[in-house]
Amino acid sequence: GENVEQHPSTLSVQEGDSAVIKCTYSDSASNYFPWYKQELGKRPQLIIDIRSNVGEKKDQRIAVTLNKTAKHFSLHITETQPEDSAVYFCAPLTSGTYKYIFGTGTRLKVLA
Amino acid sequence: SQTIHQWPATLVQPVGSPLSLECTVEGTSNPNLYWYRQAAGRGLQLLFYSVGIGQISSEVPQNLSASRPQDRQFILSSKKLLLSDSGFYLCAWSWAGGTEAFFGQGTRLTVV
Repeated sequence: GENVEQHPSTLSVQEGDSAVIKCTYSDSASNYFPWYKQELGKRPQLIIDIRSNVGEKKDQRIAVTLNKTAKHFSLHITETQPEDSAVYFCAPLTSGTYKYIFGTGTRLKVLA
Repeated sequence: SQTIHQWPATLVQPVGSPLSLECTVEGTSNPNLYWYRQAAGRGLQLLFYSVGIGQISSEVPQNLSASRPQDRQFILSSKKLLLSDSGFYLCAWSWAGGTEAFFGQGTRLTVV
């Protein structure tokens, strides 16, 4: 939690290509690592999450990888589709704390 | 199942007028509650969070305040709105243990 940065801030990919978004955090005690998707004008919704005892988790075309040593985790989207176009937020959290800080956001555009 | 209600969906208010946005959660007890503001094309700024009735933590004091009069009710208020208060306001809740955050539909506030 606390200082949370995402890179890149915007990302354009051709339909069918892969997209990778990286989230860097400062709190070494963070142990819950979610990614949220926010479509235009809508509320953010959880799409995938991982806990610190797992290095990678996959759900169909999306996956999250975690590097606790380097304090970053990444969202991977394969075979991108136009409906993947949205803003993506990470929000690393530490158990026992309740200050839910979101990353700076990444706007993904999938070009048809 | 749990649901979160936030209203109104849109609001246009003159500068200097008061504000009251309400959020209620159903189907759970003792949730963590959050208020976020999102400026156009920007990230999610945490304004207030609460871990129990009457317990409010402020991240961005400014001219906004929050209250939690009941376990599942969270209210965002202002005595006098500024132009800079315009934005998309989102209420959210999470389990007391703190994992996934569930967002309300949001209120789009325009101060004129």
